[in-house]
Amino acid sequence: ETGVTQTPRHLVMGMTNKKSLKCEQHLGHNAMYWYKQSAKKPLELMFVYSLEERVENNSVPSRFSPECPNSSHLFLHLHTLQPEDSALYLCASSQGDREDEQFFGPGTRLTVL
Amino acid sequence: AQSVAQPEDQVNVAEGNPLTVKCTYSVSGNPYLFWYVQYPNRGLQFLLKYITGDNLVKGSYGFEAEFNKSQTSFHLKKPSALVSDSALYFCAVRERPGGFKTIFGAGTRLFVKA
Repeated sequence: ETGVTQTPRHLVMGMTNKKSLKCEQHLGHNAMYWYKQSAKKPLELMFVYSLEERVENNSVPSRFSPECPNSSHLFLHLHTLQPEDSALYLCASSQGDREDEQFFGPGTRLTVL
Repeated sequence: AQSVAQPEDQVNVAEGNPLTVKCTYSVSGNPYLFWYVQYPNRGLQFLLKYITGDNLVKGSYGFEAEFNKSQTSFHLKKPSALVSDSALYFCAVRERPGGFKTIFGAGTRLFVKA
């Protein structure tokens, strides 16, 4: 499989549930990102990992917990979410920073009931 | 504050006509500039970027973008639109000299009518 993959593609969860989103990149990149995409709003950068170290944390609530066990895998652990957290969660990777473009996965559509 | 503005929520163009999707930014220094496209139920795909040099940048699928430093703009263009170009387009900027933070615009939906 090539590119950036995300599982699951769709997730419905209650506010008391705990779930995890998974992202895997097959591009040999060194950086991985989580974004939140809500309707008619700019993409919100949530977290960035470079060489498995977190380098950006954009004031994201603690109910979102990222994990990067190696340079190819990125997880977003979810617990006690709110309905306003319903959105499309996109994972991306890039070779490095600066001028390197990002490669995005198809996203996980999350609905919090 | 750093920001990217895409002033049009939607752009409507007839097939075969030229198209322009506008982007202006407010970022200190000389940022790196990007355009991405998103088709339904897909993630964003990279179209083109400006790093340095020629102000006219050519990218995928016949798209190009013009960097204008004095107007802090980076408008996306295509000489002849196709129905298959209908999608959501995002402008993005990243500050120099480095860093991972990319600021995205809210997106512009392009609708190309046959």
